This record gives sequence, C-alpha cells and structure tokens, in this order.
Amino acid sequence: GENVEQHPSTLSVQEGDSAVIKCTYSDSASNYFPWYKQELGKRPQLIIDIRSNVGEKKDQRIAVTLNKTAKHFSLHITETQPEDSAVYFCAADKGDETSYDKVIFGPGTSLSVIP
Amino acid sequence: NAGVTQTPKFQVLKTGQSMTLQCAQDMNHEYMSWYRQDPGMGLRLIHYSVGAGITDQGEVPNGYNVSRSTTEDFPLRLLSAAPSQTSVYFCASIKGQKIYEQYFGPGTRLTVT
Repeated sequence: GENVEQHPSTLSVQEGDSAVIKCTYSDSASNYFPWYKQELGKRPQLIIDIRSNVGEKKDQRIAVTLNKTAKHFSLHITETQPEDSAVYFCAADKGDETSYDKVIFGPGTSLSVIP
Repeated sequence: NAGVTQTPKFQVLKTGQSMTLQCAQDMNHEYMSWYRQDPGMGLRLIHYSVGAGITDQGEVPNGYNVSRSTTEDFPLRLLSAAPSQTSVYFCASIKGQKIYEQYFGPGTRLTVT
C-alpha cells in the first residue's frame, strides 16, 4: 500500500524566513497531494493541494511543488508569521476525478515561527 | 450547515468495554473516513466509505468496525477496547464530484485504562 514520509518532523524558523517541508510517497499511481494545517487542539484544515498533471501551485505565501519522477512533493511557506505555527501534514491519494481511494497522511511536521 | 459533528468529545473506557463513536455530516458528502491521531504518527486511516452501503479498510482497521447505512452517518465501533486504542479520533468527509477537500470533525479524545 501507499506509504508517505515527511521531513523534518520539527522545524523552527525566524519570523519572515521561509520554511520548506518535504514529503515522499511510494505508490506511483498516486495523483492527488493535499496539505493540511492543524493548529494546537483543533482539527486539520486543507491549505493547498496539487494534482499530478501540475508541477507547481501557489496561493499567496504558500506554494507546493511536485516531482512525479522522484515521487516527492514539497510545501514552501514564505515570509513566515507566528500564526503559521502549527503541525503540517502532507497526504497522497490515487483516486481520479471520478472515484476515490485511501487518503494516506504523512506523520506531520511541527513548525514553530519565532517572533 | 453544522458540517461534520462527532460525539462524544471525551470518553474514558475500561479495557474490554465496547462503544460507538458517532459521526454525522449534513453536507451530503459521498466519502467519509475515520482516522486516529497519535503523537509522532500523524493521521492513520482506520476505515473509509465511498458511499452508503460501502465500506473498506484503511491502514489500521483491527479492533474497529464501521457501517454506512445512510449518507449522513458513519459510526465507528470499538469491539473490545484496549489501551493501545487510546488516541484522538477524527471523522472526515469529502464532497466528491471532483471536490477533494476533506472536512474534519472536532475529534473525540478516547482513553482506555
């Protein structure tokens, strides 16, 4: 089955710096890669996602890149702010646009942004 | 809409007891799933359902049962609770129809003593 690895497990950055979180997946059939943010004591929420037919996607200070050949994808956060502090999860899914499959999550990265 | 709701929020069980965690959504979503969250292990898929009457196993299904008799409800049953099942449980749903965002419930914190 699919296996998703995520690095680093913890990350501390100074406010204003960039943060990068990397994930790898094992199943080459996976084609949908979402990122979720979970603040302390709250539920996970989707922040950005990318499909396998796209190499990069950007939404304001957040961007995700995908390398299908290497089976890895990354989350980039620029100009970090204290409110970016949270646990970030990557995930992989091989469902297509008309059907679904298991959504498998990575173990998470705890990001701390130091003011 | 209430979104995805879960009950109870907290539960303490003794080893061997059984119970059902409730999950409901009022968004007419096709896809529902159950995850458990443990420190350092992220969100692990227990069971999922792609529609009423259809369920399948996730990564860690042992010790849990599910059913999906209606689109709205997806209960998770612990058959005989064990301390290893101490965790935070999240239910989630996906609209489908090319919209893949998972909406998570608020979670149930379960302790098995």
